[in-house]
Amino acid sequence: GENVEQHPSTLSVQEGDSAVIKCTYSDSASNYFPWYKQELGKGPQLIIDIRSNVGEKKDQRIAVTLNKTAKHFSLHITETQPEDSAVYFCAASIIAGTASKLTFGTGTRLQVTL
Amino acid sequence: NAGVMQNPRHLVRRRGQEARLRCSPMKGHSHVYWYRQLPEEGLKFMVYLQKENIIDESGMPKERFSAEFPKEGPSILRIQQVVRGDSAAYFCASSAGTTLWKAFFGQGTRLTVV
Repeated sequence: GENVEQHPSTLSVQEGDSAVIKCTYSDSASNYFPWYKQELGKGPQLIIDIRSNVGEKKDQRIAVTLNKTAKHFSLHITETQPEDSAVYFCAASIIAGTASKLTFGTGTRLQVTL
Repeated sequence: NAGVMQNPRHLVRRRGQEARLRCSPMKGHSHVYWYRQLPEEGLKFMVYLQKENIIDESGMPKERFSAEFPKEGPSILRIQQVVRGDSAAYFCASSAGTTLWKAFFGQGTRLTVV
């Protein structure tokens, strides 16, 4: 089955700096890669996603890049703010028929300091 | 448009009791997924259901765990004869049939077995 690895496990940046979180996946058939933000005591919130037919996607301060050949994808957050502090999870799945379960990475705890 | 609703938010059960977790998907969503999150870990897929059908239960423990999504009413995750190792956060997610890869999560039910 699919295996997703995520690094780093913790990341501390100063407000205004950029943060980068990286993930690798094992199943070359995976073709959908969402990123979720989870705040303490809450459920994961979908913040951006990318499909395998696209190499990069951007939404305001958040961008995701995908390298299918190397089987890795990254989340980039620019101009970080204290409210960006949370745990971020990458995930991978295969869009095919009715099967669409997500395999998650182990999470990155991002701390944005003033 | 209300999001995915889970209840209860917190549930305490003694060893050997039954736990019933409820999930109402987003309006218009007919696909429901259950995930389990152990402390400081990522989310692990358990089961994927459509109305009245279990599509994929490959992540579900073979014993004591069951799930249903009836024609009317919420999806139910049932854990019989709970043990301390069942203590975790259980998240439900839902997606629409047209974009079934895009899953939106509820706030979760935190189960504590004492």
